[in-house]
Amino acid sequence: SQQGEEDPQALSIQEGENATMNCSYKTSINNLQWYRQNSGRGLVHLILIRSNEREKHSGRLRVTLDTSKKSSSLLITASRAADTASYFCATYNAGNNRKLIWGLGTSLAVNP
Amino acid sequence: DTAVSQTPKYLVTQMGNDKSIKCEQNLGHDTMYWYKQDSKKFLKIMFSYNNKELIINETVPNRFSPKSPDKAHLNLHINSLELGDSAVYFCASSQDIAGGRVQYFGPGTRLTVT
Repeated sequence: SQQGEEDPQALSIQEGENATMNCSYKTSINNLQWYRQNSGRGLVHLILIRSNEREKHSGRLRVTLDTSKKSSSLLITASRAADTASYFCATYNAGNNRKLIWGLGTSLAVNP
Repeated sequence: DTAVSQTPKYLVTQMGNDKSIKCEQNLGHDTMYWYKQDSKKFLKIMFSYNNKELIINETVPNRFSPKSPDKAHLNLHINSLELGDSAVYFCASSQDIAGGRVQYFGPGTRLTVT
């Protein structure tokens, strides 16, 4: 069953603004990953956050994890037109037969 | 020096035909995957191989048959194609089968069945 759910489904902002996307999941996890997919391309890994971590940074990206609320957020600061893409969260639970469970994605449009 | 490559990138074929998609990774990874992404961008795992051994086999019609001749290659053969098979198929790899590894994706193969 689909576990991760991102919201919003779609987000449109202006260049320079910050973009926040959220991911909720239903069961306990070992780690949560965020990926980006540009139109017509494959997915690219952005950040992995473990269940015992609360926050991670990578460049303009900040990911938080709240295991008590079973949710994560991805913040992109000072967005650029090149950030236009779909963003997916994927969760891993050791009891889930070694699969990543994928969300439905947030489609981000950054307008110049 | 592409890490995960797939061929072909586009595949247009008629119902009932048989087709194959090839995938190769040069990352030295042990584990490879096939995913299907539908028109709503929902990503569904189909198969996973670890060192040529089938690890994950989701509820996929048996018209789909993966083959892994070595750990760097994972091909997908589809028999008797149906309209509902139209989707983008992604190959991916990870270092090993240990849980929750980062996955590296190929560029995708867009299959259109008419």
